[in-house]
Amino acid sequence: AQSVTQLDSQVPVFEEAPVELRCNYSSSVSVYLFWYVQYPNQGLQLLLKYLSGSTLVKGINGFEAEFNKSQTSFHLRKPSVHISDTAEYFCAVSGGGSNDYKLSFGAGTTVTVRA
Amino acid sequence: EPEVTQTPSHQVTQMGQEVILRCVPISNHLYFYWYRQILGQKVEFLVSFYNNEISEKSEIFDDQFSVERPDGSNFTLKIRSTKLEDSAMYFCASSATANSPLHFGNGTRLTVT
Repeated sequence: AQSVTQLDSQVPVFEEAPVELRCNYSSSVSVYLFWYVQYPNQGLQLLLKYLSGSTLVKGINGFEAEFNKSQTSFHLRKPSVHISDTAEYFCAVSGGGSNDYKLSFGAGTTVTVRA
Repeated sequence: EPEVTQTPSHQVTQMGQEVILRCVPISNHLYFYWYRQILGQKVEFLVSFYNNEISEKSEIFDDQFSVERPDGSNFTLKIRSTKLEDSAMYFCASSATANSPLHFGNGTRLTVT
């Protein structure tokens, strides 16, 4: 079984500053990794995914994440945030290449962008 | 862009009542899921559904829960006799293949009083 730990529950950040959201996973098999964003009163929207190939993954809205197998991490970054990036961000993992495709989510990181 | 739609957005029910949460997955998707998020907690897997049967279910998905795809477009979650602890946001999701990313709906907030 896979699991995910998001190391920061709350991340306050000023507009135009960079942000990094940390995610570590545990798994005994290869994995697929995802970041989802939840804007206030909305559902979960896929930001980006790592399935295989290049370890640097670019997603929507200027976000990117790097898969680091040796550190079992998949941290999310954005070089310059906007007020509209205020949301909750979830890291998720599923079993890669197997039938274990259900997602296990982290507890979420609330990002609050201030002017 | 096609999306998963869920109705209602908010459902209030009394303890012990039956409730049905409705979802319309993306039309060409074959895999369907329900997740829930109790306020302040993680998003948790409930059940996956493929080829008109449950593929996998979690410990949360006990006999009080059932899923159905009654007409080829809707995907429903029924809670037979609701408890206070069933209060949560329920998310429906679908995917084209077993390993495709999940597309989530906006959720139904269930409040059991």
